[in-house]
Amino acid sequence: AQSVSQHNHHVILSEAASLELGCNYSYGGTVNLFWYVQYPGQHLQLLLKYFSGDPLVKGIKGFEAEFIKSKFSFNLRKPSVQWSDTAEYFCAVNAGNTPLVFGKGTRLSVIA
Amino acid sequence: DTEVTQTPKHLVMGMTNKKSLKCEQHMGHRAMYWYKQKAKKPPELMFVYSYEKLSINESVPSRFSPECPNSSLLNLHLHALQPEDSALYLCASSQDKWAGVSYEQYFGPGTRLTVT
Repeated sequence: AQSVSQHNHHVILSEAASLELGCNYSYGGTVNLFWYVQYPGQHLQLLLKYFSGDPLVKGIKGFEAEFIKSKFSFNLRKPSVQWSDTAEYFCAVNAGNTPLVFGKGTRLSVIA
Repeated sequence: DTEVTQTPKHLVMGMTNKKSLKCEQHMGHRAMYWYKQKAKKPPELMFVYSYEKLSINESVPSRFSPECPNSSLLNLHLHALQPEDSALYLCASSQDKWAGVSYEQYFGPGTRLTVT
């Protein structure tokens, strides 16, 4: 069965700091990878996705993620975070005919 | 329009009540999903409908009963729930379930359910 690991439970950053959230998955075949964000009191929104092609994917709000197949990783990055990036971030993976599997989430708190 | 709507936003019900949650999308998506999300946890898949047929039931107790009246609507009927069923119930839709090709899921805002 697939699984998704998000290494950081809670990350606290100052505004303008750079962000990298880790995501690793366990599945040997072709995968589809997603990052979703859930702002406080709001619904899950898709930040970015990787299906195939260029492993460096750019999403909304200045986020990007890099798929490294050899490391089974899909880390999320942003060069300079803002207070408004405070949210819960979920990595999710599916493969072939399998449901979407979510990681446990990383809570990002951005302080002024 | 990439919106999935859900009603009601909040619901408080007793353990003997019967209520329904509603979900609607007008994106032409043929797959629709119910998830349960507890606070500070990831969504947990409950049911998947593909082309209006139930294709996955993740061993959900029978007190939760899904229904897909047409390709745009998804209901979740609730009966005799327990306090531990209190959670945020999310609906999602995608272009298709999965068939070797993946499509992203679009999530609704959820119904926050409290069982007293």
